[in-house]
Amino acid sequence: KNQVEQSPQSLIILEGKNCTLQCNYTVSPFSNLRWYKQDTGRGPVSLTIMTFSENTKSNGRYTATLDADTKQSSLHITASQLSDSASYICVVTFDSGGYNKLIFGAGTRLAVHP
Amino acid sequence: NAGVTQTPKFRVLKTGQSMTLLCAQDMNHEYMYWYRQDPGMGLRLIHYSVGEGTTAKGEVPDGYNVSRLKKQNFLLGLESAAPSQTSVYFCASSYTGGSYNEQFFGPGTRLTVL
Repeated sequence: KNQVEQSPQSLIILEGKNCTLQCNYTVSPFSNLRWYKQDTGRGPVSLTIMTFSENTKSNGRYTATLDADTKQSSLHITASQLSDSASYICVVTFDSGGYNKLIFGAGTRLAVHP
Repeated sequence: NAGVTQTPKFRVLKTGQSMTLLCAQDMNHEYMYWYRQDPGMGLRLIHYSVGEGTTAKGEVPDGYNVSRLKKQNFLLGLESAAPSQTSVYFCASSYTGGSYNEQFFGPGTRLTVL
């Protein structure tokens, strides 16, 4: 079964600290993996996208890694800010035959405290 | 550009009532999608459209109908609302269905069915 699992479910850190969010997937055939940021009351916004051959991608203070062999990805946030408080969703795309289907993880809810 | 907009933002229905959610995009995207987001679960695809006049079922289509009469609009209808349809509904659009094409999400509609 195609699944995307994220850990932890929620996380609290202090402003300025770093954190790492995890994503494990069992999706096949794999096309790419995205990390989305979803602010409270808003729709998800893409942060990074990685294909099978890429093992790291950065977007400012956000760095995503991908290990296609172990089917694991992580999102590292450096020097956290209050505005990083949001849910972070791991999304894996696979070719379902008709169109490229997205499998969404349940997300990690991050709270950054001053 | 407004991107993807959704109306209404909030709605409370009684069991058995009907309603239509409207999604509009001004990016000239071909593909449009309706998802639902429930606590502790990833977004799930309800219906999607690959172009004006076409619609297709997603992962959880039961109880919903859709129409794409104009390229920029995608309507989601609930004919007889049930409490199980209490959820946050997100519309998204993409230029094509290709795996590298980012889906852009609207702000969501929070629906409560009593």
